[in-house]
Amino acid sequence: DQQVKQNSPSLSVQEGRISILNCDYTNSMFDYFLWYKKYPAEGPTFLISISSIKDKNEDGRFTVFLNKSAKHLSLHIVPSQPGDSAVYFCAASALGGTSYGKLTFGQGTILTVHP
Amino acid sequence: DVKVTQSSRYLVKRTGEKVFLECVQDMDHENMFWYRQDPGLGLRLIYFSYDVKMKEKGDIPEGYSVSREKKERFSLILESASTNQTSMYLCATRNPGLTYEQYFGPGTRLTVT
Repeated sequence: DQQVKQNSPSLSVQEGRISILNCDYTNSMFDYFLWYKKYPAEGPTFLISISSIKDKNEDGRFTVFLNKSAKHLSLHIVPSQPGDSAVYFCAASALGGTSYGKLTFGQGTILTVHP
Repeated sequence: DVKVTQSSRYLVKRTGEKVFLECVQDMDHENMFWYRQDPGLGLRLIYFSYDVKMKEKGDIPEGYSVSREKKERFSLILESASTNQTSMYLCATRNPGLTYEQYFGPGTRLTVT
């Protein structure tokens, strides 16, 4: 049962344009969402997060949007740069209780930004 | 700056061998996690530890065990390695608080032949 889904395995974008990566979730208990970026042969690095009390969070070129009613979030990268080429993972967590901050990850989307 | 190190970047083992993967963190984080990453499946949680000597099964614990005798060290053990355990193994840590960000090590690429 895949509770977090990234339905696009790959995305190709021209340098300077916008990259939009999408993520859907099914578990209504999730209330905190994160995006990670991963280069080959390296561990994932945290990029940006959003709490369910917000619908948008922005950090420089990266913006995450959350649509709770649709159980959908997206990551926008503007403008895209060749160095952004990596695998992007969406992750979700349910705050509190005995979750201990466990994250449920999506399958990942390979972003390629062409010069 | 959080530092999470893993004992090996690449490892090749034979079927049936007992395998130890070590993870060490230097930030006094209480929570530690072991994931495996496979193409098309993302990261899947194997085991986690919320405190020293405490452990909980994740989503795919079969064939694995863990040990956490000291706060900074979390070991993943493959009791009898099998070819379907060939994967990238990632360790992560977290300091409990209001955010749920986890910090990852560089990973160990394990091949079981």
